[in-house]
Amino acid sequence: EAGVVQSPRYKIIEKKQPVAFWCNPISGHNTLYWYLQNLGQGPELLIRYENEEAVDDSQLPKDRFSAERLKGVDSTLKIQPAELGDSAVYLCASSLGLQGTGEETQYFGPGTRLLVL
Amino acid sequence: AQSVTQLGSHVSVSEGALVLLRCNYSSSVPPYLFWYVQYPNQGLQLLLKYTTGATLVKGINGFEAEFKKSETSFHLTKPSAHMSDAAEYFCAVRKDTGRRALTFGSGTRLQVQP
Repeated sequence: EAGVVQSPRYKIIEKKQPVAFWCNPISGHNTLYWYLQNLGQGPELLIRYENEEAVDDSQLPKDRFSAERLKGVDSTLKIQPAELGDSAVYLCASSLGLQGTGEETQYFGPGTRLLVL
Repeated sequence: AQSVTQLGSHVSVSEGALVLLRCNYSSSVPPYLFWYVQYPNQGLQLLLKYTTGATLVKGINGFEAEFKKSETSFHLTKPSAHMSDAAEYFCAVRKDTGRRALTFGSGTRLQVQP
């Protein structure tokens, strides 16, 4: 079974440029997460989707970040314009989305490493 | 609010020695607890998780962790370190209140010396 797929794996851009990351979750997983991982830190949630609906986006900097999951499958995270401080690893994860089950496992993709110059 | 504290950002052990990575959590309700491992340039992989029941949890690669409610701890151990265990380890917590996202600690980098 294929895992969570992310692309690109690496991206170098100049500040003020736009950038987009793509994620394809494990087949059948209803819940999709985007996490931000700064160097030397643990991942922090940016946004969580239940199918097409963004149900937890309180940590997403909405002035420059946007995300979509139009058909409830793959998702795109965009930054426009990028700032130097956005250099980090952007992780996508997915889970089955079983109601009322806090124990379910999240499966992570390899991440996109962004460097803003 | 829930948080996770991992004591020691770097731990170094000799091959064959005991591995002990510490994790303490703060939570107003019994949490679900997880340990993930991250190898260089890879995503996070689940090692083990505590949900309910037995407080000693066994995971992959010979790792185990014990949930101690009185100490609010969930330390990760392995009796004998292997060179391939060198990686970053993250402890995480989640409450089943509808917010499914995990709250991670800052991680512990494990080095294994030959």
